[in-house]
Amino acid sequence: GQNIDQPTEMTATEGAIVQINCTYQTSGFNGLFWYQQHAGEAPTFLSYNVLDGLEEKGRFSSFLSRSKGYSYLLLKELQMKDSASYLCAVRDSNYQLIWGAGTKLIIKP
Amino acid sequence: DTAVSQTPKYLVTQMGNDKSIKCEQNLGHDTMYWYKQDSKKFLKIMFSYNNKELIINETVPNRFSPKSPDKAHLNLHINSLELGDSAVYFCASSPQTGSGGFLEVGDTQYFGPGTRLTVL
Repeated sequence: GQNIDQPTEMTATEGAIVQINCTYQTSGFNGLFWYQQHAGEAPTFLSYNVLDGLEEKGRFSSFLSRSKGYSYLLLKELQMKDSASYLCAVRDSNYQLIWGAGTKLIIKP
Repeated sequence: DTAVSQTPKYLVTQMGNDKSIKCEQNLGHDTMYWYKQDSKKFLKIMFSYNNKELIINETVPNRFSPKSPDKAHLNLHINSLELGDSAVYFCASSPQTGSGGFLEVGDTQYFGPGTRLTVL
């Protein structure tokens, strides 16, 4: 079967750095997405990785290792508004998105 | 100028009723989706339409029937509502189904605000 694993919840301090991991086992791979979802709101697109390595976008970076079936989202200079759930999703060989259950990130002052 | 809109935002109804949720996108996208997000926040795809044609139909009860009158609209009709149908339903759209090429981020999905359905 297809599986995406992420920690259920993480806590970090304002101004710090946090890394949210995602491991996947899917039938084929055609890209990995990270989405942010604030409580009571819709998911919004953050990043996309299809080749190995680090993609940087401002305070957020996303890393991919296809051989290890592993990705992480790195958030720097954490702000209170970063408190949200972060969803990892993988596009499989049929170009369908397989979603993880999300990681709830709690930021403390 | 909302990109993906859904109505209603909240829906409270009795078991056994029939209800519909409407979705419209003004992004000119070819593909639209319906997702269900339950209390555990797990986002599960239900249906996907590309240019008004059904391309994904996951294992959902046949009480759920999507209808796409045109490629900008994908409505969800639910018959004989059950308690377990209570969830947030998200509509989403994307430019294409991802067949455009390996490096394309083409099927980045844009989500509507969600419809919180409560069945009593």
